[in-house]
Amino acid sequence: AQSVSQHNHHVILSEAASLELGCNYSYGGTVNLFWYVQYPGQHLQLLLKYFSGDPLVKGIKGFEAEFIKSKFSFNLRKPSVQWSDTAEYFCAVTRGGGADGLTFGKGTHLIIQP
Amino acid sequence: DGGITQSPKYLFRKEGQNVTLSCEQNLNHDAMYWYRQDPGQGLRLIYYSQIVNDFQKGDIAEGYSVSREKKESFPLTVTSAQKNPTAFYLCASSIGGTGKQPQHFGDGTRLSIL
Repeated sequence: AQSVSQHNHHVILSEAASLELGCNYSYGGTVNLFWYVQYPGQHLQLLLKYFSGDPLVKGIKGFEAEFIKSKFSFNLRKPSVQWSDTAEYFCAVTRGGGADGLTFGKGTHLIIQP
Repeated sequence: DGGITQSPKYLFRKEGQNVTLSCEQNLNHDAMYWYRQDPGQGLRLIYYSQIVNDFQKGDIAEGYSVSREKKESFPLTVTSAQKNPTAFYLCASSIGGTGKQPQHFGDGTRLSIL
């Protein structure tokens, strides 16, 4: 079975700082990779996804992620964070071709200080 | 607006009692999922269904049951066999198929034991 590790459970940054959230997965086959975000009081929503092709993918609100196959990683980045980026961020995977639900990391709680 | 409706938002259960959480979607999605979210644990898959009248166990199905009699509905029953049911429960749906389609999430039901 696959698993997902997120390295930072709590991150506190000041506005305009750069962000990188780590995500590693364990699965030897093809995977589909996702980052979801849960803003305070809102439902979980998709930030970005990667299936194939260009390993650098761009999502909403200026976020991007890079898939590095050799490192089994899919780290999330943003050059300059805003107070409104305060949220819980989840990395998740599905197996390529499989439709058996997402495997999530434990999440990273990001707090942006004004 | 299309979306996923979970009800109730808060639910209290007495010891030894079964309770059913409702999940309805009007997105015309084939696949539906139930996840459990615990603090610091991320989301874990309970059950999923790719088509009507068919469903599969996820990673933590013990103590839970589901049905999928209609495409738009996927209720989850938390039985008395579930020894630690206090959690936040999220329902999701996707177009289905290959695991590439992003999942859309409801607002969740918070279940507590009296």
